Amino acid sequence: GQQVMQIPQYQHVQEGEDFTTYCNSSTTLSNIQWYKQRPGGHPVFLIQLVKSGEVKKQKRLTFQFGEAKKNSSLHITATQTTDVGTYFCAPQAAGNKLTFGGGTRVLVKP
Amino acid sequence: DGGITQSPKYLFRKEGQNVTLSCEQNLNHDAMYWYRQDPGQGLRLIYYSQIVNDFQKGDIAEGYSVSREKKESFPLTVTSAQKNPTAFYLCASSTRPNTEAFFGQGTRLTVV
Repeated sequence: GQQVMQIPQYQHVQEGEDFTTYCNSSTTLSNIQWYKQRPGGHPVFLIQLVKSGEVKKQKRLTFQFGEAKKNSSLHITATQTTDVGTYFCAPQAAGNKLTFGGGTRVLVKP
Repeated sequence: DGGITQSPKYLFRKEGQNVTLSCEQNLNHDAMYWYRQDPGQGLRLIYYSQIVNDFQKGDIAEGYSVSREKKESFPLTVTSAQKNPTAFYLCASSTRPNTEAFFGQGTRLTVV
């Protein structure tokens, strides 16, 4: 079955610095989604990537889908306290299950 | 207001009792999902449904049951067979599989 690894599990970032979280799949994906969950809240959809090598930007967030469609990354520039939360990737392979990676928990040091 | 509603927000039950968590959506979505989240952990898929009167087991279905008699409703029953039922339960829906999912506020179940 599909194996998904999201790294790092935890990320402590100084406010203003950049960081990247990665999502790696053992199988080729049809698409990948990214979600953010604030502490005590529920996951909220951020983006969906479909094409090989696709890059999408949302303000300070840059999402990338690997050429082989097996991995993806989320890069955040100039981290702010509002970026605190857990970022989950949801890789989609064959079938209709919506499953999630283990998440990267982001803490921001002011 | 369109959205997905889970109730109640907090739920307490005695060990050995079955409990049903409600999930209702008025988004006209075909697909619905149930997840379990333990403290500091990710989301694990319990059951999902692509269409009315049809549902499939997810990765951790043992001790849980669901029904999908109406498009807008996907209740989850946590049975006494579930060994560690205390957790945060999240329901989600999407227009169709592999599209953006919308989540409810979640139900925190505590079994004592």
